[in-house]
Amino acid sequence: GDSVTQMEGPVTLSEEAFLTINCTYTATGYPSLFWYVQYPGEGLQLLLKATKADDKGSNKGFEATYRKETTSFHLEKGSVQVSDSAVYFCALNNAGNMLTFGGGTRLMVKP
Amino acid sequence: EAEVAQSPRYKITEKSQAVAFWCDPISGHATLYWYRQILGQGPELLVQFQDESVVDDSQLPKDRFSAERLKGVDSTLKIQPAELGDSAMYLCASSFYRGTGELFFGEGSRLTVL
Repeated sequence: GDSVTQMEGPVTLSEEAFLTINCTYTATGYPSLFWYVQYPGEGLQLLLKATKADDKGSNKGFEATYRKETTSFHLEKGSVQVSDSAVYFCALNNAGNMLTFGGGTRLMVKP
Repeated sequence: EAEVAQSPRYKITEKSQAVAFWCDPISGHATLYWYRQILGQGPELLVQFQDESVVDDSQLPKDRFSAERLKGVDSTLKIQPAELGDSAMYLCASSFYRGTGELFFGEGSRLTVL
């Protein structure tokens, strides 16, 4: 079945550092890929998405590119802020079926 | 901004007791989902509704869990009897269109079973 694998956290960075959170997936066909973020005490919210190979999703300074050849959708941000501290979830949606999530990666940004 | 409402936020119960969670999706969202998130893991789908009909409940432990969405609006998830392993966050989400992957989540209901 479909699955998503994320790098384990926590990832601890200083403010203004470069962020990469790795995500790889296993799926048949052509899934859509997502990053969701969960801030402390809040529900998950969609951060960005990409629906086909080579698409780049972007939002709030975060970017991720759908790489079919490496089955990856790594999340990047050039300069993180303390307010970016949260848990990040990579997810896929295949053929309109249920959303499959990775295990989540906690990001901690220190001032 | 419209939100998915869930209650209660926190529930502590003893094993073998019954527990229920309620969810009110964003107005107009036909698709409603219940997910379970064990601490340190990603959410896992329990049940998906399209209007009042169950679309997918293949991962719902039907011997003890039940879910309903009688009028196609709000929904209730029930556990009876609760077991220690049911301790988790129960997340409700809704979407306007089914199958897009763009879900709006509530803040969740955290269950602790003693």
